[in-house]
Amino acid sequence: EVQLVESGGGLVKPGGSLRLSCAASEFTFSIYSMSWVRQAPGKGLEWVASISTDSRYIFYADSVRGRFTISRDNAKNLLYLRMDSLRVEDTALFFCTKERAPYSSPSVGSDLWGQGTLVTVSS
Amino acid sequence: EIVLTQSPDTLSVSPGERVILSCRASQSVSSYLAWYLQKPGQGPRLLIYDASNRATGIPARFSGSGSGTDFTLTISSLEPEDSAVYYCQQRSNWPITFGQGTRLEIK
Repeated sequence: EVQLVESGGGLVKPGGSLRLSCAASEFTFSIYSMSWVRQAPGKGLEWVASISTDSRYIFYADSVRGRFTISRDNAKNLLYLRMDSLRVEDTALFFCTKERAPYSSPSVGSDLWGQGTLVTVSS
Repeated sequence: EIVLTQSPDTLSVSPGERVILSCRASQSVSSYLAWYLQKPGQGPRLLIYDASNRATGIPARFSGSGSGTDFTLTISSLEPEDSAVYYCQQRSNWPITFGQGTRLEIK
């Protein structure tokens, strides 16, 4: 089955760190740009970070730049999000997403989303 | 940062009626706009990409139009399962941004 499965969420104290993982199945992971999108409880969607197929191009939301690091391992079909210096306002469900169009084509739309992994930052 | 403003915030419509949702961008995004729906407890699902193209498996009652700063998502005949929150998203400029969402309720 074509799917994305996130893991690594949990409860962490402010200032702490977590690493999220996203395992991709049944599609050619290496040819698609990937992103992380989060959703705070009861709120809307917020883009967090994106990475190109070969990791050459990486972009972050201002709210996480310098604290979060996105990376990928194409040999293992895995996407990661390292999160440091976590804040209470980072509490959210984190989704891993796949771009619909391959090879960073000029197109917009994520056609595959995971079920999300919950990150709770609280003392 | 490009701000996407969706209207209305909430809509209550009877089955079989036509629904039009709006997304307005603070500056031109060309046709780099997507629409998603999200049901409670689920991840978002892509409906429309590049402003007017239906994603794989999306029923023909969903259609998207617009370019530049003004976009619409139309549901030609509302089905009960269309109850959800609908989001627009742009990827014309970084950062990627989403609208605040429109909650569509079925009467």
